[in-house]
Parts: sequence; C-alpha cells; structure tokens
Amino acid sequence: GQQVMQIPQYQHVQEGEDFTTYCNSSTTLSNIQWYKQRPGGHPVFLIQLVKSGEVKKQKRLTFQFGEAKKNSSLHITATQTTDVGTYFCADLDYNQGGKLIFGQGTELSVKP
Amino acid sequence: KAGVTQTPRYLIKTRGQQVTLSCSPISGHRSVSWYQQTPGQGLQFLFEYFSETQRNKGNFPGRFSGRQFSNSRSEMNVSTLELGDSALYLCASSRDRGQETQYFGPGTRLLVL
Repeated sequence: GQQVMQIPQYQHVQEGEDFTTYCNSSTTLSNIQWYKQRPGGHPVFLIQLVKSGEVKKQKRLTFQFGEAKKNSSLHITATQTTDVGTYFCADLDYNQGGKLIFGQGTELSVKP
Repeated sequence: KAGVTQTPRYLIKTRGQQVTLSCSPISGHRSVSWYQQTPGQGLQFLFEYFSETQRNKGNFPGRFSGRQFSNSRSEMNVSTLELGDSALYLCASSRDRGQETQYFGPGTRLLVL
C-alpha cells in the first residue's frame, strides 16, 4: 500500500537554530497536510499543500511541495522552545474521502 | 465553537474484554475518522464515517468496529482486547468528506493489561 516516509525521526536543536523535516513517497502524493502534536497532546492541523511546487509560509514556518508531488518539507527558521513537538506530514487522498496516510513524524526538541 | 470531544480520556482494560470509545465531532461536521497512535506504528487510519455509513476502512482486524449516529456522533468498539491494542485512539472530524482540515480530539488513551 501507499507509504509516506518522513525523516529524520528525531531532531535536537539549540534554540535559534533552523530545523527541517522531509516527507517522501514513492508514489505521487495527492495533497500534503502538516500537523503538529505537542507532547501529551493531539495532532493540530498546520497547513495543506495541493499544487506542484507550492510554497506556503506561516511566520517562521515554510512549507514546500515538490515539483513531482512526491516530497514535501517543513522548515522552521530560528526555532523557539514553543516549537517543541512532533511534526507529521500526511497525504489526504480525496479519492478515499477523509483518509489520511501519516508519515512517522519528526520529534523536535529545542534546547534553550 | 466547541472542539472535538472524546470520552473517556483514559481507560484500563484486561485482555479479552471489550471497550467502546465515543467521539462527538464539532457541530456541523459530518465526517468522523478514527486513528490509532502507537509509538511503534505511528498514526494509523482505522475507519471513516459519513452520514452514518462507513466509507473507508484501514487494515485492522474485524475486532475493531464503529458506527455513527444521526447526530454525527461516533463510537468505536474493540472486542477481545489484546495487549497490542494499547494505544491512543484519536478521532478527527471535518465538515465533509475529503475536507481540507481535520480537527482532532484529545484522544482516549487505552491500556490493556
């Protein structure tokens, strides 16, 4: 079946450093969604990317969708302790309604 | 607007028992999806309900079942619990099928002893 791979699994950074997580698939992704899950919390929707090559920004967060729609990335500039959590990418296949195929997530820790 | 609510929040059961979890979606949302989250397997799709009908199902055994009521509230049931069923069970609601944003509830943490 379809798989969404996400790397790295863990990332430890010093506050102020940048952070990037990558999402890859062997098949074409339909629509990429990104979620953040704080420790002990639940996934919270961040953004959805639909178009090939799309780039969206939310303050210090930059989301990209690859030209071939087989990869995506989330980049955080100048991390803060509030960025701590696990970041998930997920493919939303409209042909299958609300089914999200999640990557394994990247756990980000930020040292003050 | 109230968010997605799930009850109970925590649950301890023993092997062989069954359990029912409840999810109340955001008002006006008609689609409810369920996910299982474990450290080893990550977030895995269980099933999706829309208009009281199961529209999609993940790769879980038949011990996992669910339903949706006319007010869009949903329940999932796990029968003959196994140790490996210990997980965080999350439900997510959206206005319609395939909608952009899915809103997750806080989850039910199930421990099977």
